[in-house]
Amino acid sequence: DAKTTQPPSMDCAEGRAANLPCNHSTISGNEYVYWYRQIHSQGPQYIIHGLKNNETNEMASLIITEDRKSSTLILPHATLRDTAVYYCIVRAIGNSGAGSYQLTFGKGTKLSVIP
Amino acid sequence: DGGITQSPKYLFRKEGQNVTLSCEQNLNHDAMYWYRQDPGQGLRLIYYSQIVNDFQKGDIAEGYSVSREKKESFPLTVTSAQKNPTAFYLCASSRTGLGSNTGELFFGEGSRLTVL
Repeated sequence: DAKTTQPPSMDCAEGRAANLPCNHSTISGNEYVYWYRQIHSQGPQYIIHGLKNNETNEMASLIITEDRKSSTLILPHATLRDTAVYYCIVRAIGNSGAGSYQLTFGKGTKLSVIP
Repeated sequence: DGGITQSPKYLFRKEGQNVTLSCEQNLNHDAMYWYRQDPGQGLRLIYYSQIVNDFQKGDIAEGYSVSREKKESFPLTVTSAQKNPTAFYLCASSRTGLGSNTGELFFGEGSRLTVL
C-alpha cells in the first residue's frame, strides 16, 4: 500500500471548516483513499473513502486532486466533538491473498477544535 | 444494535501471567483483526483472520496468540513471552470477498492492558 504523509497536528475554530491534508504521491491506480478518526481512548471510526471523484457524506467531504497525489478531508462546521486524531490511509480494494484486508494506520493528524 | 464488543475495558496483570482479551461481533463479518496502539502512535496489526479456523500473523505477532473457532469471536491471548504488553488493544471486523470489501473496518472500544 502507498505511504501517506499528514501534518502531526492542526487547530480549527469551532464552527469553521476544518481542512485536513494528506499526501500520497506514490498512490497506484487501484488504490482508494480512506479516512478514519479516533477520539481519545476509543476505537477508530470510519469517515469516508474515495477513488478519484470527490465524495461527500453526512460526516465530511473528501476532495482528491486530479493527479490523485493528495487529498483533503473537509469537516464543514467543526464542533468540539470533532477533536480527534484523523488518519489518512491508502489501499486497494478487492485484492485477493493474504493481508489484503488490513489497513495500515500511521500517526495521523491530531485536530483540536477550539471554542 | 450490531457492533463489536471488547472486554474487559481495563485489565491489570502481573508479569509472567497470560491474559486473554475477548472480542465478539454480531455484524456477520468474515474478517476480524487485532491491533495494538501505544501512546502517541498509530495502530499496529497483531493478527487477522479472514475465515473461521484460519488466521495470519500481522506485523507484531510475537508473544501473542489467537483462535477463531466461531465467526463471531476472535479472542487474543497476551502471553508471558510478550516483552512489552502494556498497551491499548483494538479489535476490528470487516466484510470480505471480492467486490464486497469496501475496506471499511468496524472497531470495538478497546481494552487497555497494564502490566504491573
